[in-house]
Amino acid sequence: NAGVTQTPKFQVLKTGQSMTLQCAQDMNHEYMSWYRQDPGMGLRLIHYSVGAGITDQGEVPNGYNVSRSTTEDFPLRLLSAAPSQTSVYFCATQREGQWEQYFGPGTRLTVT
Amino acid sequence: GENVEQHPSTLSVQEGDSAVIKCTYSDSASNYFPWYKQELGKRPQLIIDIRSNVGEKKDQRIAVTLNKTAKHFSLHITETQPEDSAVYFCAVALNTGTASKLTFGTGTRLQVTL
Repeated sequence: NAGVTQTPKFQVLKTGQSMTLQCAQDMNHEYMSWYRQDPGMGLRLIHYSVGAGITDQGEVPNGYNVSRSTTEDFPLRLLSAAPSQTSVYFCATQREGQWEQYFGPGTRLTVT
Repeated sequence: GENVEQHPSTLSVQEGDSAVIKCTYSDSASNYFPWYKQELGKRPQLIIDIRSNVGEKKDQRIAVTLNKTAKHFSLHITETQPEDSAVYFCAVALNTGTASKLTFGTGTRLQVTL
């Protein structure tokens, strides 16, 4: 039982490149979310999903796309990376009917 | 949208002393108030949470109090230990039976000195 996993752990991109951050969970949690954490700041919600095929925007969605084709996976796509997207990205899961969210180990992304 | 303010930004206490971190929020409809602990380079970990129908909740050395009228809530850590050193984040959400969309405070760096 791995819980929530995120890959890669670290990534360096050049401005304009695209990439996908992976998030997978084996807890059968219905809800999944993506947050970013910038230095000296709390986490901010990017996108979230309440089930396969259902996604919605959070506080800072611009420059990111998501999809949820399965319960287990919730990838985050950067379409054209910008230095402002340098951050640590955390995926979180939540069981339906419960309020607690649990975070994955994070991906540290640097855009040069 | 929701606005969460957290104070202080840094807090240094001696081992064995108590630590208190405070948060205020803006949306009176918010009903879920978790606290997360984050060690350097690690993920945020949920340490305690409270719902709006409860004024106080305690778990061993950690307690959270909520004042809905004043729209503020606090984390209390008693008998602090070196392993309590970390960054603590408060968060707020309006939970309507679906995914919790958390709004976080900016964090408090707690240092427990020997």
